[in-house]
Amino acid sequence: AQTVTQSQPEMSVQEAETVTLSCTYDTSESDYYLFWYKQPPSRQMILVIRQEAYKQQNATENRFSVNFQKAAKSFSLKISDSQLGDAAMYFCAYRSSVNDMRFGAGTRLTVKP
Amino acid sequence: DVKVTQSSRYLVKRTGEKVFLECVQDMDHENMFWYRQDPGLGLRLIYFSYDVKMKEKGDIPEGYSVSREKKERFSLILESASTNQTSMYLCASADRGRTEAFFGQGTRLTVV
Repeated sequence: AQTVTQSQPEMSVQEAETVTLSCTYDTSESDYYLFWYKQPPSRQMILVIRQEAYKQQNATENRFSVNFQKAAKSFSLKISDSQLGDAAMYFCAYRSSVNDMRFGAGTRLTVKP
Repeated sequence: DVKVTQSSRYLVKRTGEKVFLECVQDMDHENMFWYRQDPGLGLRLIYFSYDVKMKEKGDIPEGYSVSREKKERFSLILESASTNQTSMYLCASADRGRTEAFFGQGTRLTVV
């Protein structure tokens, strides 16, 4: 099965600063999707951003952007102008052609005022 | 607005009980998933279903079974609950293909 690795259990950022969360994955497939989800204390999983593997252009959603390096199997999330509401658990996820979906262990982001 | 609903937000059960966790989606999605979330381990896939009555084991199926008799409903069954099954359980659904999954609000199960 494919594996997703998030090597940073915790990260901290000052409000208004930029932070990057790391994710690597292992797969033999060439066509897949990658996702970043946010889980605030409410526990509801919220999609932050998605990236299609066949697209070379990095996805961007307002203050959130990714750095997708397909050859390196790396998919990092950059949060610009961090806000207090960005504090949450962030999960990287991979979805392949066989329809299942795998997640990493998560990174807990703290935003300091 | 898309919706995935889990039957309970909090549940306390006794060791040895048979436990049913129910999940309903209203988006006509083919795929449904059950995950277990534990600190430091992230979301681990227990089972997923790609069609009615069809299921595939995930990474940690031991001690669990599932049922999908209707497209909108996916049940997770703990045949004989044990204390090591105390955890957060998340249900999700998704369209066929490489699209995102939509999640329920989670069930925090405590087995005593």
